[in-house]
Amino acid sequence: GESVGLHLPTLSVQEGDNSIINCAYSNSASDYFIWYKQESGKGPQFIIDIRSNMDKRQGQRVTVLLNKTVKHLSLQIAATQPGDSAVYFCAENIRSNTGKLIFGQGTTLQVKP
Amino acid sequence: DSGVTQTPKHLITATGQRVTLRCSPRSGDLSVYWYQQSLDQGLQFLIQYYNGEERAKGNILERFSAQQFPDLHSELNLSSLELGDSALYFCASSVASGGGYGYTFGSGTRLTV
Repeated sequence: GESVGLHLPTLSVQEGDNSIINCAYSNSASDYFIWYKQESGKGPQFIIDIRSNMDKRQGQRVTVLLNKTVKHLSLQIAATQPGDSAVYFCAENIRSNTGKLIFGQGTTLQVKP
Repeated sequence: DSGVTQTPKHLITATGQRVTLRCSPRSGDLSVYWYQQSLDQGLQFLIQYYNGEERAKGNILERFSAQQFPDLHSELNLSSLELGDSALYFCASSVASGGGYGYTFGSGTRLTV
């Protein structure tokens, strides 16, 4: 069925370390993927996106990797900071279809000082 | 401020009642999406409107309805409320009707039944 799954519900890292958050998607027709960050009491905040014709995209301190062969997406956060503590969601979209996003369950990132 | 405005921020009501949630999209965006976020379900797509017309429908209950007005703001109507309808309701907007573009989320309406 439609689902975007996350491998780990909670990830705890030391401040300054790199974080990797993983996501598996099930719809091979999905061709656009987004990572969102959600802090408590706030709406999802766009972090980075990637289209299916790419396998890597970099932003400021963040990198998204896409492996279409195994339908896997990851978000790498460099030099993790306390302000990165939040819930991270991956979402997929079939670009040729509607704008509907299918979200994963989310991974809680805890940054220890 | 994301540019997507949702009102009210909090809503407390009783079972059997009807409520209306309001959303103003970011300037220039023609698509409005509604999502429900509950603890056990994550973010679930409800419905999408594009320039006043329904574009896509998710697992939206028959007790729920939405519309988008000529000024592009949208309202989500929830009726015959049940305890299980307690959740965060998010509105998002994007410029296009299809996917493949960034979506901006509002800060949500927390509904307590």
